[in-house]
Amino acid sequence: ETGVTQSPTHLIKTRGQQVTLRCSSQSGHNTVSWYQQALGQGPQFIFQYYREEENGRGNFPPRFSGLQFPNYSSELNVNALELDDSALYLCASSFYRGNSPLHFGNGTRLTVT
Amino acid sequence: GDSVTQMEGPVTLSEEACLTINCTYTATGYPSLFWYVQYPGEGLQLLLKATKADDKGSNKGFEATYRKETTSFHLEKGSVQVSDSAVYFCALSEIRESGYSTLTFGKGTMLLVSP
Repeated sequence: ETGVTQSPTHLIKTRGQQVTLRCSSQSGHNTVSWYQQALGQGPQFIFQYYREEENGRGNFPPRFSGLQFPNYSSELNVNALELDDSALYLCASSFYRGNSPLHFGNGTRLTVT
Repeated sequence: GDSVTQMEGPVTLSEEACLTINCTYTATGYPSLFWYVQYPGEGLQLLLKATKADDKGSNKGFEATYRKETTSFHLEKGSVQVSDSAVYFCALSEIRESGYSTLTFGKGTMLLVSP
């Protein structure tokens, strides 16, 4: 089975710009969650998408937004980038939005200068 | 709110030594507990999990027991290998009112095993 894939692997952006990160979920999974992992920290929950709708959100401002497509792939968009947005962004898919195990991709390393 | 506290690293061990990484949690309900491992340059991999009190999760020689009375989920291994060098994250998951669940992670503990 194909695992969770994320693109790009690395990205450098300038403060104020906008960025889109992409994620293909594992086959058969209908739920996608996004996490932000700052250097030396544990991942922080951004939001979760289930059946193309956001059904849970962490403590992140509205300039963090997302989409889920009919094939369950997903995008994370960040507007008006700030230096503190520099982090590893992890996508995770699961079979269901409840307590089914999360399968993580290798992440996108975003650097904001 | 929910939180996870785990011991700070790095933990430096020689091959075949015993490992314990402490993890305690605070939660309002009855969470599921997890250990994830992150190898350099990679995402997180589920190592083991336990869904209710007194459950023991185990995988690849690692074990952890869900202790409700002490709100702990310590990770143990009897004999570590160089290939176990990685960052280990303790996490909890609870189902929210709207039906979704999220993982709350600790800050991670780096394990370095030398030959």
